[in-house]
Amino acid sequence: QQPVQSPQAVILREGEDAVINCSSSKALYSVHWYRQKHGEAPVFLMILLKGGEQKGHEKISASFNEKKQQSSLYLTASQLSYSGTYFCGTGTSNTGKLIFGQGTTLQVKP
Amino acid sequence: GAVVSQHPSWVICKSGTSVKIECRSLDFQATTMFWYRQFPKQSLMLMATSNEGSKATYEQGVEKDKFLINHASLTLSTLTVTSAHPEDSSFYICSAILEGGDNEKLFFGSGTQLSVL
Repeated sequence: QQPVQSPQAVILREGEDAVINCSSSKALYSVHWYRQKHGEAPVFLMILLKGGEQKGHEKISASFNEKKQQSSLYLTASQLSYSGTYFCGTGTSNTGKLIFGQGTTLQVKP
Repeated sequence: GAVVSQHPSWVICKSGTSVKIECRSLDFQATTMFWYRQFPKQSLMLMATSNEGSKATYEQGVEKDKFLINHASLTLSTLTVTSAHPEDSSFYICSAILEGGDNEKLFFGSGTQLSVL
């Protein structure tokens, strides 16, 4: 079953923060986050594995609450380059098979 | 890092023809690859799991006779869209997993934009 992402869309000014949530109705082994620009393939951001991980890369970080079957992606001090559609992909085992959420469109304005 | 090459990047074909899309793992062996389809402004929908040396596993609602998958070697999976129709126009993306099935070694190709006239 497809995970649910929220919000569906968000508009920010440069320098503002955003949080994107991903919720699943199934127990999760992993959560993957990707960003996709229009007409391009998704670009990998990070993977979180069960065990309640938190990860960060520059100003983008994420958490994974295994019990709640939820993950959140945190974008701090957003830049124009952060604009795009963010997808979470959830895996219920270590096979690499992912089911993607419907996406969250982020627009960062100057 | 590992690279997955997908070819072609875009293809335009006439209705009724067949189109083959290749997905190659360039510097690692992949016993398992995945094929996704993405319609404009929608999410990536898993079509099938491609297993080297055996039949692909298709997701519910995906016609296996229309979307032929062949995973003949550890570095190549192909998706053939047979008798393509305009409704098959979409962005097709493959992903490959390093042997061993570790989630942290999942890589995506660059995608193929298919337009059927």
